[in-house]
Amino acid sequence: QVHLVESGGGVVQPERSLRLSCAASGFTFSNYGMHWVRQAPGKGLEWVAFTRDDGVIKYYADSVKGRFTISRDNFKNTLYLQMDSLRAEDTAVYYCARNWVGWGPHIGTSDVFDIWGQGTSVTVSS
Amino acid sequence: IQLTQSPSSLSASVGDRVTITCRASQDISSYLAWYQQKPGKAPKLLIYVASTLQSGVSSRFSGSGSGTDFTLTISSLQPEDFATYYCQQLITYPRTFGQGTKVEIK
Repeated sequence: QVHLVESGGGVVQPERSLRLSCAASGFTFSNYGMHWVRQAPGKGLEWVAFTRDDGVIKYYADSVKGRFTISRDNFKNTLYLQMDSLRAEDTAVYYCARNWVGWGPHIGTSDVFDIWGQGTSVTVSS
Repeated sequence: IQLTQSPSSLSASVGDRVTITCRASQDISSYLAWYQQKPGKAPKLLIYVASTLQSGVSSRFSGSGSGTDFTLTISSLQPEDFATYYCQQLITYPRTFGQGTKVEIK
């Protein structure tokens, strides 16, 4: 069965760092791009970062660019999010999600987030 | 690309037909997905490329649209459908989501 399990969340002071992990199982991790998505308390979903299957191509939301780093270890089947210079506005539940390439009529293939972890909570507070 | 969902919330009864719309700030062809999220749970993929039902998702869910205007329809609302629904564009980065539509029990 396909599973993603996040860990590493907690309470951290502003300007400190935290590293999240996402352990994958039940599929060939190295064949898939992966995302981090967050959700602030009572708010909607915000895409955070993406890494291609080989870890070479990475994209970031403007809100985290220069502070967060996405990485992966395809031997350990694990995705990471290194979060530095944390701010109160980074407080959220962080989800990892698998990037799957689906097919549909008219346009052919498209990325989609097909598998999600259960999330890990990060609170930035003094 | 900004996505605007309407309404932000709605109240409906079991058996009702429910329609949620998502409007993109520019043409995204059919690069749109819909997700369902229940309180305290991760989002669940319902529909991708605007109208293709994800495997295992009930056929009472359907999607339509292309370009800038999209619709998610629940043909006959069931108790387990009370949740928040998000659209997402997948044509460019950042992969933006709509603000969500909360479907509540009337």
